[in-house]
Amino acid sequence: DAKTTQPPSMDCAEGRAANLPCNHSTISGNEYVYWYRQIHSQGPQYIIHGLKNNETNEMASLIITEDRKSSTLILPHATLRDTAVYYCIVRANNAGNMLTFGGGTRLMVKP
Amino acid sequence: GAVVSQHPSRVICKSGTSVKIECRSLDFQATTMFWYRQFPKQSLMLMATSNEGSKATYEQGVEKDKFLINHASLTLSTLTVTSAHPEDSSFYICSARVGSGRVREKLFFGSGTQLSVL
Repeated sequence: DAKTTQPPSMDCAEGRAANLPCNHSTISGNEYVYWYRQIHSQGPQYIIHGLKNNETNEMASLIITEDRKSSTLILPHATLRDTAVYYCIVRANNAGNMLTFGGGTRLMVKP
Repeated sequence: GAVVSQHPSRVICKSGTSVKIECRSLDFQATTMFWYRQFPKQSLMLMATSNEGSKATYEQGVEKDKFLINHASLTLSTLTVTSAHPEDSSFYICSARVGSGRVREKLFFGSGTQLSVL
């Protein structure tokens, strides 16, 4: 799986949009971009994933650059409950189906 | 979304005893489940891939005789930490694949088990 680079930590004001970047410059054509988050002492929670088009669901939006070398997860109106570690993972869906986690970004939403 | 139930959520045991952790897919069948371990302030590390009806595949450095994995049905995988020692204290998390086809496939995770070995 391609390696990803994320900032170790970010702060965001409650009610504002949280934009979490991820670099994956070595991503290959069959690899998807997945985002998960982990709230303290819980299992990771699936957020969103995409291949090349931008995606949106009830939790977040995923913006993937045209060259696919980076992406941004957007939480449109961050709440205190969004404080968590956010993991950006790239993988091919034929890669044994497991996920390889990097360090992630620790997002702190502040009042 | 799909539900993966993990039990127990927390266990404290004495050194030398064995501990079993269960992972169940509640509303879907999972032919493959994954077991991860996470130490404090670190990321998740894959321990093994559990395949229904066959032997688990372990990652390098993970002792298969110490971490016994059984996947006897399409909805249940168990991880048994045998002869536990304090260094086995960690947060153990299972996950299961849901969906078929590249677009819809996702992995869902259990809530984790915090193991403390005294």
